[in-house]
Amino acid sequence: GENVEQHPSTLSVQEGDSAVIKCTYSDSASNYFPWYKQELGKRPQLIIDIRSNVGEKKDQRIAVTLNKTAKHFSLHITETQPEDSAVYFCAAVEYGNKLVFGAGTILRVKS
Amino acid sequence: DAGVIQSPRHEVTEMGQEVTLRCKPISGHNSLFWYRQTMMRGLELLIYFNNNVPIDDSGMPEDRFSAKMPNASFSTLKIQPSEPRDSAVYFCASSSRVELANYGYTFGSGTRLTVV
Repeated sequence: GENVEQHPSTLSVQEGDSAVIKCTYSDSASNYFPWYKQELGKRPQLIIDIRSNVGEKKDQRIAVTLNKTAKHFSLHITETQPEDSAVYFCAAVEYGNKLVFGAGTILRVKS
Repeated sequence: DAGVIQSPRHEVTEMGQEVTLRCKPISGHNSLFWYRQTMMRGLELLIYFNNNVPIDDSGMPEDRFSAKMPNASFSTLKIQPSEPRDSAVYFCASSSRVELANYGYTFGSGTRLTVV
């Protein structure tokens, strides 16, 4: 089945700097890659996603890139703010509707 | 739509007791997922249903765990007997093929289970 690895496990950045989180997947048939943000005590919420027919997608300060050949995708957050502090999860669809999640990255934005 | 509704929000129970977690998916979603989240193991998929039928229960830790979906609007996750190592946050999520393509999963608020 699908296996998703996520790095780093923790990331500290200064407010205003950029943050990058990287994920790799194993199943070349996967075609959908969402990113979720989970604030402390809250549910995971979708923040951006990308499909295998697209190489990059942007939404204001966040962007996701996908390299199908290398089977990796990355989340980029620019001009980080304290409210970006959270746990971020990447995921890949295995088959049907099943998502496999990475282990998560704790992002701390220091002001 | 009120989103995915889980109950209870918090549950504290003694070891050996039966625990039942409940989930109401978003109307029209035909897939329902139960996840367990802990610091050590992250988000683990326990079981998921398509059209009320269990498709993959390979993540269910052991026979003490069981899940049902008697109809499209309700699912339960039962632990009997409960053990302290079952303490975690249990999330329910729902989706449909169309929703997944556009919005991913929608998670409920979770049930924080503490077994003492």
